[in-house]
Amino acid sequence: DAGVIQSPRHEVTEMGQEVTLRCKPISGHNSLFWYRQTMMRGLELLIYFNNNVPIDDSGMPEDRFSAKMPNASFSTLKIQPSEPRDSAVYFCASSTGSSGSDEQFFGPGTRLTVL
Amino acid sequence: GNSVTQMEGPVTLSEEAFLTINCTYTATGYPSLFWYVQYPGEGLQLLLKATKADDKGSNKGFEATYRKETTSFHLEKGSVQVSDSAVYFCAPIPGGSYIPTFGRGTSLIVHP
Repeated sequence: DAGVIQSPRHEVTEMGQEVTLRCKPISGHNSLFWYRQTMMRGLELLIYFNNNVPIDDSGMPEDRFSAKMPNASFSTLKIQPSEPRDSAVYFCASSTGSSGSDEQFFGPGTRLTVL
Repeated sequence: GNSVTQMEGPVTLSEEAFLTINCTYTATGYPSLFWYVQYPGEGLQLLLKATKADDKGSNKGFEATYRKETTSFHLEKGSVQVSDSAVYFCAPIPGGSYIPTFGRGTSLIVHP
């Protein structure tokens, strides 16, 4: 398996623009997670899905952020409009979601810079 | 609630030195315990795990023992290498959940 795939790997955009980050989880994994990593706040869980259904989005910072999972093999995280404080590395991770002993598999991340 | 406390970094060591990174946690139920590692420019990956008290997880020369009485899961390695330079995250999963609580991470820098 190719592992969790994220695109793009790097994104530079200007304030106010819409940004869409994409993720393909590992085939057969039922749970998908979006994280944001910054020096100031560390690794933050934004939202997670189980069987394509959003379970907990309490970590989404504000209404400018939205996430979808239209099918088991694809998810998007959208920021509209983007702001400089959104600059971070965004990770997607997947797991089987079947038990507490399951590891999460992380993608390589998308480094977002908002100017 | 669930929380993790890791020692502040960076931890700077010379090659072949002994490593300890402390981790203590609070978690509901009977948690499973994990250490993840993040190499520069990459996502996190599982280093080791332990799912019940007194279990020892091990991988790549790293070890950690599930200490229920002290709610700790300290990471150790007897002889570090330059290639071990990375950020290490302690991450318990509370009982009944599959969602880890990640610590802030501890940066390890190993000099030749």
